[in-house]
Amino acid sequence: SQQGEEDPQALSIQEGENATMNCSYKTSINNLQWYRQNSGRGLVHLILIRSNEREKHSGRLRVTLDTSKKSSSLLITASRAADTASYFCATDKGQGGSEKLVFGKGTKLTVNP
Amino acid sequence: DTEVTQTPKHLVMGMTNKKSLKCEQHMGHRAMYWYKQKAKKPPELMFVYSYEKLSINESVPSRFSPECPNSSLLNLHLHALQPEDSALYLCASSQTRTRGPNYGYTFGSGTRLTVV
Repeated sequence: SQQGEEDPQALSIQEGENATMNCSYKTSINNLQWYRQNSGRGLVHLILIRSNEREKHSGRLRVTLDTSKKSSSLLITASRAADTASYFCATDKGQGGSEKLVFGKGTKLTVNP
Repeated sequence: DTEVTQTPKHLVMGMTNKKSLKCEQHMGHRAMYWYKQKAKKPPELMFVYSYEKLSINESVPSRFSPECPNSSLLNLHLHALQPEDSALYLCASSQTRTRGPNYGYTFGSGTRLTVV
């Protein structure tokens, strides 16, 4: 079953604007990760936030995690046309030595030049 | 070398065919994964291998048979597939939990499979 639920499902903005995507999940997690997927291609890992962290930055990306609300957000600042892609949150529900990364439904971001 | 290589990139097969998808990584990752992704949907976990042993099988039909011959290779053997099995099949690798708590996955570009 899918763990994360992103909203919005689709987002269209102009170049230079900020894009915010949200993710909610249902059960406890070890960490939460964000991935980008360009059309029909493999996923690229963007950023990982541990369950004991509240905020993390990487370049133009800012991720927050609120474990009490079981939610996370991804902010892309000063967006570019090249940021056009689908963005997925994924939660690590693995136990013991096994990893188990489960993806949410994704947000399709379009950045218009 | 920081990538996962999947072959072939595209595959068309009949319902009576037997084919294999291949995945290779040389990052020293000891966890490898197969995901299936239908159009406009998120990837769905199929199998997890940890230290070359199958650790998770997400109730995948037996017409999909995974194999991990060594720490760098992961195969997915396909037999008697149905048209609804047409999808993008993604391989990924990562460090295992025993090496440290939190690592991202590295994905291959996928094999686009069409079953006719």
